[in-house]
Amino acid sequence: GAVVSQHPSRVICKSGTSVKIECRSLDFQATTMFWYRQFPKQSLMLMATSNEGSKATYEQGVEKDKFLINHASLTLSTLTVTSAHPEDSSFYICSAKRGASGGNEQFFGPGTRLTVL
Amino acid sequence: DAKTTQPTSMDCAEGRAANLPCNHSTISGNEYVYWYRQIHSQGPQYIIHGLKNNETNEMASLIITEDRKSSTLILPHATLRDTAVYYCIVRGLQGAQKLVFGQGTRLTINP
Repeated sequence: GAVVSQHPSRVICKSGTSVKIECRSLDFQATTMFWYRQFPKQSLMLMATSNEGSKATYEQGVEKDKFLINHASLTLSTLTVTSAHPEDSSFYICSAKRGASGGNEQFFGPGTRLTVL
Repeated sequence: DAKTTQPTSMDCAEGRAANLPCNHSTISGNEYVYWYRQIHSQGPQYIIHGLKNNETNEMASLIITEDRKSSTLILPHATLRDTAVYYCIVRGLQGAQKLVFGQGTRLTINP
């Protein structure tokens, strides 16, 4: 099956530091990856769409300078939370879309729990 | 993409069939119906998707009404491990094909 991994699974950092989260598609190539954020007892909120070799497309209200996305290869996308603050504490989840044609399902990573002290 | 409406929560007895409804009355002709579920503190898991025909796989069955304005996800023999939030999502074929999650249905399987 299609497997997506995330690293780290959980991270605790001090306010003002930057944190990088990796998302990898392990057994398929993903031209498109997506980043979501989920606060406690809420649904997933799409943050941005990441396309290999091009700039990410951010959803309205998401600061692109704070959440830096790099999709340097067909199997890796990274999300960097810059100058993290306690309000950035959340569950960050990536997904990868296999193939370029329509109708293909997305596969989700296990998520990264970020706690900013 | 069309909006979906799901009940906030449902309960089902272990071993019985769990039927989860979803309304998508504004669905357009080229939009698929997707179902995902999320077990606590994990990433969402793909279950099934369909366009207009009923679909079945090893996890579930998807029944789509003839007018495509609603659908039902069926877990034929629910187990305690099926307790999760189930999301019904309508997604088109154009653009980035992103999945937009609503609030979903919190399904609790009771022993």
